[in-house]
Amino acid sequence: AQTVTQSQPEMSVQEAETVTLSCTYDTSENNYYLFWYKQPPSRQMILVIRQEAYKQQNATENRFSVNFQKAAKSFSLKISDSQLGDTAMYFCASEGGSQGNLIFGKGTKLSVKP
Amino acid sequence: SQTIHQWPATLVQPVGSPLSLECTVEGTSNPNLYWYRQAAGRGLQLLFYSIGIDQISSEVPQNLSASRPQDRQFILSSKKLLLSDSGFYLCAWSVLGFHGYTFGSGTRLTVV
Repeated sequence: AQTVTQSQPEMSVQEAETVTLSCTYDTSENNYYLFWYKQPPSRQMILVIRQEAYKQQNATENRFSVNFQKAAKSFSLKISDSQLGDTAMYFCASEGGSQGNLIFGKGTKLSVKP
Repeated sequence: SQTIHQWPATLVQPVGSPLSLECTVEGTSNPNLYWYRQAAGRGLQLLFYSIGIDQISSEVPQNLSASRPQDRQFILSSKKLLLSDSGFYLCAWSVLGFHGYTFGSGTRLTVV
């Protein structure tokens, strides 16, 4: 079965600094997508960034970027210039199964401190 | 534009009572629809998914059921709630060719 592991239950970072959230996954698929979702205190799930496994170039969305290591099945999220609004739970997810269902990790609670 | 509506936002129900949570999508046709449950410290657990009317798959045996009476409507139900059904329930949708989900705002269910 597919699994997604986030080994950091909680992290904190000072405002304006950079933080990296870790994620590893296990899949038998040849082509797949990986995702990072953000869940702020409002609990609305928001897609932050996604990566297609066949693309070697790491995805970037403004201050958010990923370090995708396909052989190691690692997919970390880097947040640059952290802002107070980045405080949230962050979930890593892997696409799998015949219907492309998403498998989520348990999440990392990120706190950005002023 | 596509939007997803989920209600109610919060619900407190006694043990043994029935449940009905509703999710509707606007602005798209034939979406894939999903119900997830988020329990404290356990991430998101896929409960049901549907790729079309009358095509509903259950991922986890449980006290819940799902129905899709219309193309863009997905309902999560229970005949008799258990304490263990408490949690945060999220509906989501996707369409063929788009990788990733759009989530509703969620329902916090407390069974007392």
